[in-house]
Amino acid sequence: AAGVIQSPRHLIKEKRETATLKCYPIPRHDTVYWYQQGPGQDPQFLISFYEKMQSDKGSIPDRFSAQQFSDYHSELNMSSLELGDSALYFCASSLDLGPFSGNTIYFGEGSWLTVV
Amino acid sequence: GNSVTQMEGPVTLSEEAFLTINCTYTATGYPSLFWYVQYPGEGLQLLLKATKADDKGSNKGFEATYRKETTSFHLEKGSVQVSDSAVYFCALSDRGNTPLVFGKGTRLSVIA
Repeated sequence: AAGVIQSPRHLIKEKRETATLKCYPIPRHDTVYWYQQGPGQDPQFLISFYEKMQSDKGSIPDRFSAQQFSDYHSELNMSSLELGDSALYFCASSLDLGPFSGNTIYFGEGSWLTVV
Repeated sequence: GNSVTQMEGPVTLSEEAFLTINCTYTATGYPSLFWYVQYPGEGLQLLLKATKADDKGSNKGFEATYRKETTSFHLEKGSVQVSDSAVYFCALSDRGNTPLVFGKGTRLSVIA
């Protein structure tokens, strides 16, 4: 079965540079989530989109932005990178089955960002 | 707000030992509960889930039962293997497609 696809899997950027991560959700999933996981940490929710509109916002820095496109893929843009942005960035997707359902969120393999 | 509390690791067990990783939660309403596993250098994989009270999720010999009265979702396995060595995250989602809230994770090391 198709899974959540993320690219690139690894990237190295210098401080103050910009990085863009891409995410392709599972086909027919309508919700995309972005998470950041620092070394030895639990995943922290950044932002999510439902049907191409922002649905929830977590601890996403102002230097970061994201959007979901008409084909449901999503991109996370990170500018003015700092050393502390080095982390594993996960994209995840789900299909909204309604407010009382147990939607399952599936994660991609993650994109490793190293800021030097 | 919603939160998940897991037992702190690391947990080190011998092969074929019994595993319990405790997880308790705080949430409004009726959350769905999940266990995710992260093997070294890999992403998050859904291990099992439960969507209502008294549901039991199970997969690969792991089990967890949704206990509303104790707000718990403890993970158990009767006989662990070296290949089970990973970090285990308990998580909840309180409605529909809301984002997951994760616990801090518990690192399990199984030695032969």
